[in-house]
Amino acid sequence: QVQLQESGPGLVKPSQTLSLTCTVSGGSIHSGGHYWSWIRQHPGKGLEWIGCIYFSGNTYYNPSLKSRITISGETSQNQFSLQLSSVTAADTAVYYCARDSNGYNFLDVWGKGTTVTVSS
Amino acid sequence: QSALAQPASVSGSPGQSITISCTGASSAFGVHNYVSWYQLYPGKAPKLLIYEVSNRPSGVSHRFSGSKSGNTASLTISGLQAEDEADYYCSSYTSRTMSVVFGGGTKVTVI
Repeated sequence: QVQLQESGPGLVKPSQTLSLTCTVSGGSIHSGGHYWSWIRQHPGKGLEWIGCIYFSGNTYYNPSLKSRITISGETSQNQFSLQLSSVTAADTAVYYCARDSNGYNFLDVWGKGTTVTVSS
Repeated sequence: QSALAQPASVSGSPGQSITISCTGASSAFGVHNYVSWYQLYPGKAPKLLIYEVSNRPSGVSHRFSGSKSGNTASLTISGLQAEDEADYYCSSYTSRTMSVVFGGGTKVTVI
């Protein structure tokens, strides 16, 4: 059974880069057909899709965040990562990693989420 | 403001059926049927309930059903149970931008 676990600093200073890692267990990020995704939820608000990476390395990003996002795969450690640059308080959120099993909004496995606060 | 509009809250009594709507512009839904619904409990991993408008993943209760008509998708919960109290989000894949958009979420209360 595939499981996902987010990790990274819970506090990031404004203007810095937020970096999170998602560790995949019980399956390989190189298994075909899966898109490894990041989603966030602002406090008291709805979900926001950030982007995803396909096992081939192709990436797809939310147009509104595209200029600040990098999603990459860590081959040897069965992990994928999110980097969000130039953060502000508006980036404070719970960040989830998830597996999209067909690339068309089939987010069938999720991590429990990690809270990131942007504050000086 | 979300590209997909959901009611902020819906309530019902145990045993009743409730329906959550999700309305979007044609650009949000597109011409495809890649609409999904997710269930969120505080502090827990979100759960996929419905994919491709009306399909249930293995293990999801038959009390959850989905449909779509025009620019409105719907999630119906039949035989409402106390454990159904949660937040529910619709979402859609948008081929124009190759991205996913979510609705604002609906809080379901069992009264």
